[in-house]
Amino acid sequence: GQQVMQIPQYQHVQEGEDFTTYCNSSTTLSNIQWYKQRPGGHPVFLIQLVKSGEVKKQKRLTFQFGEAKKNSSLHITATQTTDVGTYFCAGTQLNAGGTSYGKLTFGQGTILTVHP
Amino acid sequence: SAVISQKPSRDICQRGTSLTIQCQVDSQVTMMFWYRQQPGQSLTLIATANQGSEATYESGFVIDKFPISRPNLTFSTLTVSNMSPEDSSIYLCSVEVQMNTEAFFGQGTRLTVV
Repeated sequence: GQQVMQIPQYQHVQEGEDFTTYCNSSTTLSNIQWYKQRPGGHPVFLIQLVKSGEVKKQKRLTFQFGEAKKNSSLHITATQTTDVGTYFCAGTQLNAGGTSYGKLTFGQGTILTVHP
Repeated sequence: SAVISQKPSRDICQRGTSLTIQCQVDSQVTMMFWYRQQPGQSLTLIATANQGSEATYESGFVIDKFPISRPNLTFSTLTVSNMSPEDSSIYLCSVEVQMNTEAFFGQGTRLTVV
């Protein structure tokens, strides 16, 4: 079955430092989504990437989807204490017919702590 | 978008008993999912709740342990049956308004089995 690996598991940064989390799938993905989960909260959608090589930005967050549609990254520039939480990637797998299974496989998540 | 009401938010249950978790959506949705999340861990898909037919379970999850109902396009329940301490976890329902678009999550049910 599909596996989505995410690294690092933990990241501690000083406020103002940059942060990157990486996601790698064992199979080609239809699309990849990124979610943020605050401590004690539920996952909240950040963005979806669909096209090979796609790059999207949301203020200080930059999301990339690899050319082979098997990997992705989330980069946060100049972290703030409000960035604290767990960041998950989640991929939708393509089946043999080239269409989507329509269900998400989540990476293990990266827990980000920011020291003021 | 979709707003999801999930109940209960938390419960402490005796082993051997069952708990039913409810998920109500403010709009009709085709795709409805149930996940389990151990504290500090990732989300594991339990099953896809299908309206009008049996749920589709992922490997490692069976209907006898996690029966699911989906009577209409806005509501679903997940029952955790014959609970043991290993079932202690956070259970989340999720919907996609359109297939392969963003998923919306309920607030989660934090279950502790003693």
